[in-house]
Amino acid sequence: DIQMTQSPSSLSASVGDRVTITCRASQGITKYLAWFQQKPGKAPKSLIYGASSLQSGVPSKFIGSGSGTDFTLTISSLQPEDFATYYCQQYYDYPWTFGQGTKVEIK
Amino acid sequence: QVQLVQSGAELKKPGSSVKVSCKASGGAFSSYSISWVRQAPGQGLEWMGLIIPVLKTTNYAQKLQGRVTITADESTRTYYMELNSLRSEDTAVYYCARGNPNDLDVWGTGTTVTVSS
Repeated sequence: DIQMTQSPSSLSASVGDRVTITCRASQGITKYLAWFQQKPGKAPKSLIYGASSLQSGVPSKFIGSGSGTDFTLTISSLQPEDFATYYCQQYYDYPWTFGQGTKVEIK
Repeated sequence: QVQLVQSGAELKKPGSSVKVSCKASGGAFSSYSISWVRQAPGQGLEWMGLIIPVLKTTNYAQKLQGRVTITADESTRTYYMELNSLRSEDTAVYYCARGNPNDLDVWGTGTTVTVSS
């Protein structure tokens, strides 16, 4: 199975900050990577697919980049509604696997 | 808009089975895949498997192979996940999600399954 490792596991940030989350795959997955946002008690929401393509309706402050084994999700200016847990996921090979999550908290 | 509405919460005894439904509305689903993902309390997301209805093919996580079955009823656009031989570790929220074709763009409402004696 392809292992996905996110860092950090959690971070504290202030409104307006630029935040970057990293996701590393245990083997190359080209660009078959997605990012999700999940708030407590809610289903995950798709933000990014194909490593850098924005899902319809997702604001452009969410920026995905990377290919191969190393990927990042950047939130350009953190807003109160962005405090949540973020997951990366590879769909290059079965079984599809998720990172362990990064919790973004208010400083 | 595109929606996936799941069946209600379930309380099951260890060793029993559960079948969760996921009904699609408001969009194209026939050429997509439907995945099932679960989340144990306080934990991350775990992909369980998927079905590609148009090809009538399935793929399951090895960890659950033999215990999970995913099916589709295209006439009603309802998708099902059945999990057998339930144990306490199966207590989780279960989500269905549409693969477009593989990125999970629309997620279901979630179904809480509690396994307890």
